[in-house]
Amino acid sequence: EIVLTQSPGTLSLSPGERATLSCRASQSLSSYLAWYQQKPGQAPRLLVSGASNRATGIPDRFSGSGSGTDFTLTISRLEPEDFAVYYCQHYGSSPLTFGGGTKVEIK
Amino acid sequence: EVQLVESGGGLVKPGGSLRLSCAGSGFTFSNAWMNWVRQAPGKGLEWVARIKSEPDGGAVDYAAPVKGRFSISRDDSKNTVYLQMNSLKTEDTAVFYCTTGWYLDFWGRGTLVTVSS
Repeated sequence: EIVLTQSPGTLSLSPGERATLSCRASQSLSSYLAWYQQKPGQAPRLLVSGASNRATGIPDRFSGSGSGTDFTLTISRLEPEDFAVYYCQHYGSSPLTFGGGTKVEIK
Repeated sequence: EVQLVESGGGLVKPGGSLRLSCAGSGFTFSNAWMNWVRQAPGKGLEWVARIKSEPDGGAVDYAAPVKGRFSISRDDSKNTVYLQMNSLKTEDTAVFYCTTGWYLDFWGRGTLVTVSS
């Protein structure tokens, strides 16, 4: 089973700041990595697939990068609606696994 | 517009069974890989099971904690995927989400399963 480790656990930032979220895999994923956003009481929403491909309707302030074992989700300028929990997930093989999540909170 | 609507959650005693359903619309259901993902209260996301489309062979996969207890199936004539859950444990308490795709591109709102005596 592939283990995904997300860091930091919590990111405290102000609106307008840049957020950098990390996801590290226990073995190479190629580019089979996705990122999701989840707000309280809501289902997760796909942000990025293929490590760097934004999903339909996702603002361009969200960008994904990386390949192999190290991946990054960057939010260039935080908007108030971006404060949420973010998960990475691999889908290249079964079982699919998620990282533990990074909470982006208002400083 | 893609819609996924889960149903069948509720309160069940340890050792009991429950069947969840997820009805899909707004996409070609028969071509879609379907998944169940769960989230225990206050915890992260955990993938549970997947069923591929019939054109792709219809294979099923399970997470280790549910293998042998849960069974995923689909009825393409009803645009519905099911999750039969047997021998339920208290640690199965979670919101169960139905999702589409190889990566999980669309999600339902979830249905709560509570396993408690």
